Amino acid sequence: DAGVIQSPRHEVTEMGQEVTLRCKPISGHDYLFWYRQTMMRGLELLIYFNNNVPIDDSGMPEDRFSAKMPNASFSTLKIQPSEPRDSAVYFCASSLGGSAGQPQHFGDGTRLSIL
Amino acid sequence: EDKVVQSPLSLVVHEGDTVTLNCSYEVTNFRSLLWYKQEKKAPTFLFMLTSSGIEKKSGRLSSILDKKELFSILNITATQTGDSAIYLCAVESRGMRFGAGTRLTVKP
Repeated sequence: DAGVIQSPRHEVTEMGQEVTLRCKPISGHDYLFWYRQTMMRGLELLIYFNNNVPIDDSGMPEDRFSAKMPNASFSTLKIQPSEPRDSAVYFCASSLGGSAGQPQHFGDGTRLSIL
Repeated sequence: EDKVVQSPLSLVVHEGDTVTLNCSYEVTNFRSLLWYKQEKKAPTFLFMLTSSGIEKKSGRLSSILDKKELFSILNITATQTGDSAIYLCAVESRGMRFGAGTRLTVKP
């Protein structure tokens, strides 16, 4: 079975550019999560969706970050404009019935480097 | 503010040793505690614990939750080099909060 699919795997871009990260959750999962992982801060939840609706975006660091889920099989995380401190690994995860404590399945992540 | 604290942060053992990883938490509206193993890429799910005192076991790994004292432990017996990874504890309450992880290195 296909797991959570993220693209691109790596992204290197200059500060000020727009960055778009993409995620395809596991088919049938109704929760989708975006995380950021850095050495300094560990794994942080940025935002999560239930049935394509954003439920909690309190982890989104600032207005430069936005996330959308136009349908059940696709989500994007956008950073505009990007800054060097945004460099991190960004993970997408999905689960079935997330609020009921179902385990989340993670994608392989996008390693983002902002120069 | 919700907190999840893991200890130790780093651990180096030799093959065959037994290790115990700790996770303590302070959250409101606790729902579950999860353990993940992260090697080079994405975290992979190990256990989900919701009830106190019930041990979950998978091969050489086991875990238990104490909801009164607000902690969980992850035990790995007869460690192997393939167990080398970062072990993450996560607590689900209003959202999902991860601990900083324990980096385990198992030497041959």
